[in-house]
Amino acid sequence: TQLLEQSPQFLSIQEGENLTVYCNSSSVSSSLQWYRQEPGEGPVLLVTVVTGGEVKKLKRLTFQFGDARKDSSLHITAAQPGDTGLYLCAVRRAGAQKLVFGQGTRLTINP
Amino acid sequence: NAGVTQTPKFRILKIGQSMTLQCAQDMNHNYMYWYRQDPGMGLKLIYYSVGAGITDKGEVPNGYNVSRSTTEDFPLRLELAAPSQTSVYFCASSYTGVGSYTFGSGTRLTVV
Repeated sequence: TQLLEQSPQFLSIQEGENLTVYCNSSSVSSSLQWYRQEPGEGPVLLVTVVTGGEVKKLKRLTFQFGDARKDSSLHITAAQPGDTGLYLCAVRRAGAQKLVFGQGTRLTINP
Repeated sequence: NAGVTQTPKFRILKIGQSMTLQCAQDMNHNYMYWYRQDPGMGLKLIYYSVGAGITDKGEVPNGYNVSRSTTEDFPLRLELAAPSQTSVYFCASSYTGVGSYTFGSGTRLTVV
């Protein structure tokens, strides 16, 4: 069974600050996805990373996939209240047809 | 451009009652999934389907059943509702087994 740990579980910071959240897997993953979920809605895909060491940027969000493809980080620069939500990482093992989700990081950005 | 549609949005069931959660997608996706989300626990896979007529169990299938008679629809059946099934249920779909998921907006179920 693949274990997927996200940290921290909760994070509350002020608008304008920077932050990093982490996703660590017990096994190598063929790909890793980050989703954001707002209250009352389903998760929405932010990014998919597939290559060890890969870095992707989405405006103020920077995603990195570890060289060994077992961990990932999400860095937000100058956080805004609109970034508030539950951030979920999900991994797919080679040959698997389904994603395994972490428990999420609940992020609150205070104005 | 509906995407994945789930009904109902909210439901309260009494212990022992049964119900069907509906999920429909209009994107011609082959793969469909049912997850439940408990507070602070992320998403756990209940059942999934790789195409019409094919279903398979996920991590937490006990107490649930599914069917996939068409590409578009993937209903989830609860037969004898129990308080442990109180949760938010999400349906998702993807075009391939390695693609990203499109989620519905969820069904919040309370069993009392």
